[in-house]
Amino acid sequence: AQTVTQSQPEMSVQEAETVTLSCTYDTSESDYYLFWYKQPPSRQMILVIRQEAYKQQNATENRFSVNFQKAAKSFSLKISDSQLGDAAMYFCAYRSGGGGSQGNLIFGKGTKLSVKP
Amino acid sequence: DSGVTQTPKHLITATGQRVTLRCSPRSGDLSVYWYQQSLDQGLQFLIQYYNGEERAKGNILERFSAQQFPDLHSELNLSSLELGDSALYFCASSVRLTGGPSTDTQYFGPGTRLTVL
Repeated sequence: AQTVTQSQPEMSVQEAETVTLSCTYDTSESDYYLFWYKQPPSRQMILVIRQEAYKQQNATENRFSVNFQKAAKSFSLKISDSQLGDAAMYFCAYRSGGGGSQGNLIFGKGTKLSVKP
Repeated sequence: DSGVTQTPKHLITATGQRVTLRCSPRSGDLSVYWYQQSLDQGLQFLIQYYNGEERAKGNILERFSAQQFPDLHSELNLSSLELGDSALYFCASSVRLTGGPSTDTQYFGPGTRLTVL
């Protein structure tokens, strides 16, 4: 069974600085997707970024980028120029490949990010 | 706004009761997933429906059931409720047959917070 591990329960960053959240996963599959979701105090789950395992290029979305190391099964999220609105719980998630009609998400336990003004 | 709607937002009930949570997926999405988020268990997958048919089951209790209707909305039924069922229940949708990439990305509704007293 696949597992997702987030080893940092809490992180803190100064506004405008850069922070990296860690995620490792365990799988024997070669085709899969990885995601970072953000959950602010409103509890809404918001997609931050996604990565297809077959793509070597790291995904980027504005201030958010990932460092995807497939051999090491590592998928870290880097937030640049941190803003107060980035304060939230961040979840790393794994989804098996195999077509769009299947595949639930497997979540890590989350990292709570605080942003200091 | 993800385009996924869930009702009600909050639900308070007593042990032993039965409740129904409703989810309307994004327009055109065929898959609906239900997740439970609790303090002790984290985010757990419950069940998936695709175009009206059950596709996958996760850690769903026998007291819980779901269905997806022809108009693609879904309902999660929770019966014989226990204190431990208190949680945030999310619905997510994915898989549009037409238009746009990332048919495998799941978009979450705002959740229903269930409190069992």
